[in-house]
Amino acid sequence: GAVVSQHPSWVICKSGTSVKIECRSLDFQATTMFWYRQFPKQSLMLMATSNEGSKATYEQGVEKDKFLINHASLTLSTLTVTSAHPEDSSFYICSAPRTAAPNTEAFFGQGTRLTVV
Amino acid sequence: DAKTTQPNSMESNEEEPVHLPCNHSTISGTDYIHWYRQLPSQGPEYVIHGLTSNVNNRMASLAIAEDRKSSTLILHRATLRDAAVYYCILNNAGNMLTFGGGTRLMVKP
Repeated sequence: GAVVSQHPSWVICKSGTSVKIECRSLDFQATTMFWYRQFPKQSLMLMATSNEGSKATYEQGVEKDKFLINHASLTLSTLTVTSAHPEDSSFYICSAPRTAAPNTEAFFGQGTRLTVV
Repeated sequence: DAKTTQPNSMESNEEEPVHLPCNHSTISGTDYIHWYRQLPSQGPEYVIHGLTSNVNNRMASLAIAEDRKSSTLILHRATLRDAAVYYCILNNAGNMLTFGGGTRLMVKP
């Protein structure tokens, strides 16, 4: 069945370095993917909408130069956290709708726990 | 975006049915009602969705009020593995899901 695979599942990096997180749709194509961030004991917050072949759309308050999104193929979107700082430590989750049709169910990656030290 | 209101937490006994309520009084005619759940340290998982009619699948049932201002997710026999945060979300066709606080379901053995 349709699955979204996210990699890595966890990463620890030093402050000031960059980290790339990959999100792949398996067995289906995703022209749109979504990136969320979740802090401890909070709900998911939408960061951006990743569009295949075009620029991502960022939510208010999310810095596009800090969170670089690339959606170069129909099965892969990447989120790069540039110059990471401890406050960027969070659980990052991607999702993709099963089809391009409206109101379709979404599949989520298993999440990436980022710790910046 | 139309908002949903859910209780912060609920408790259930194992192997008993669970009814998780959701209020969405400002729902529009084209909003679908989606339910997802999130187990600890995992990404959310799709549970069920519907528009007007009640829906059933292998995981759960969704009962939608006639005026569509509320809905109830029904787990027919709760297991320990059903302990999770359950999110009720309105999807306005753009497939962009906005998560609220959800209901934390605790299942007692």
